[in-house]
Amino acid sequence: KQEVTQIPAALSVPEGENLVLNCSFTDSAIYNLQWFRQDPGKGLTSLLLIQSSQREQTSGRLNASLDKSSGRSTLYIAASQPGDSATYLCAAAPLRGWGKLQFGAGTQVVVTP
Amino acid sequence: DADVTQTPRNRITKTGKRIMLECSQTKGHDRMYWYRQDPGLGLQLIYYSFDVKDINKGEISDGYSVSRQAQAKFSLSLESAIPNQTALYFCATSEGTEGTQYFGPGTRLLVL
Repeated sequence: KQEVTQIPAALSVPEGENLVLNCSFTDSAIYNLQWFRQDPGKGLTSLLLIQSSQREQTSGRLNASLDKSSGRSTLYIAASQPGDSATYLCAAAPLRGWGKLQFGAGTQVVVTP
Repeated sequence: DADVTQTPRNRITKTGKRIMLECSQTKGHDRMYWYRQDPGLGLQLIYYSFDVKDINKGEISDGYSVSRQAQAKFSLSLESAIPNQTALYFCATSEGTEGTQYFGPGTRLLVL
């Protein structure tokens, strides 16, 4: 069974610093790897989706990399802002999972002004 | 208007009661999912549906049932609620197996 781990569980950085969020998965047989943002009391918002054939994906200040051989994905957020404070979750879509996502527990990020 | 809506947003019920959580989507997606989230844990899949006639159990389906009334509607029922079903419940949709999943705002359920 695919297991997805996110370390650390919580992170606090001063505004302007770059954020590096880690995600590891045990089974490299995946369709894609997805990153989500969750704000308190709200649902999940999709940030980036990296197909298994891709090495990275970028959107604005966000960049996500994927290394299937080592079972790792990293989400980089450049020049963090207080509005980036949220919980970030990664999820792996197994090859024979028919769209079912396996989620990590998330990293709670606080960006202090 | 939100693409994926869930009702109710909050619900308090008692042990043994039957309750239904509803999900509607306007994205036109075939695939719909129900997840639960417990504090400090990731989301766990309860049920998923690829179309109106195709419903499948997820990781933690015991104690739950679902109904896909139409392409746009997917309901989750707790036949006899118990306290350890207290959690945050999310509905999601996707287009195709490899597509991004879009989530509703969640229903916070408390079983006393």
